[in-house]
Amino acid sequence: EPEVTQTPSHQVTQMGQEVILRCVPISNHLYFYWYRQILGQKVEFLVSFYNNEISEKSEIFDDQFSVERPDGSNFTLKIRSTKLEDSAMYFCAGRQETYGYTFGSGTRLTVV
Amino acid sequence: GQQLNQSPQSMFIQEGEDVSMNCTSSSIFNTWLWYKQDPGEGPVLLIALYKAGELTSNGRLTAQFGITRKDSFLNISASIPSDVGIYFCAGQGNAGGTSYGKLTFGQGTILTVHP
Repeated sequence: EPEVTQTPSHQVTQMGQEVILRCVPISNHLYFYWYRQILGQKVEFLVSFYNNEISEKSEIFDDQFSVERPDGSNFTLKIRSTKLEDSAMYFCAGRQETYGYTFGSGTRLTVV
Repeated sequence: GQQLNQSPQSMFIQEGEDVSMNCTSSSIFNTWLWYKQDPGEGPVLLIALYKAGELTSNGRLTAQFGITRKDSFLNISASIPSDVGIYFCAGQGNAGGTSYGKLTFGQGTILTVHP
């Protein structure tokens, strides 16, 4: 069964550093998403991406965050200057026109 | 923003018992979804509900989309140890909204099954 692949599985970074989280969605998906989950809390929506542009973003997704789909396959989330509170699991997800979501296994980001 | 209230927060049950958890919202959703999350993994879809009043089963799991479109429940019958995990409800889309399919998640129900 096709999977959404995320790399790295775990990233440790110094506060203030830039990080790029990478995702390879399923090839026939049209809508792409990033969610995050702070340890012990619920999954929160960050951003949706459709037709090569951001279609919706949450208040969490401020100017420090950006997304790209540079080559039609990879889907990246960049955090420009990480803060301690950015430590969380970040999940990439994708779906076709219908409602079926597929989540990746996540990247655990630890900011120290 | 939209909020989902999921209860209970945690459950400790014996193997073989039935489990029930539910979600309520102040807003209407077009779709209700139930996910299970194992440690260190992403959410995995268990059941999707697309119509108000719909009752859907997937093996030992049964879920219903409330008639008001503001609530849903998930039942697990005859629990087994591998049912252990965190269960999340999620609502998708709102009537008249411009949501591009984003999901709003509940806080999760931590299920522990004792053999």
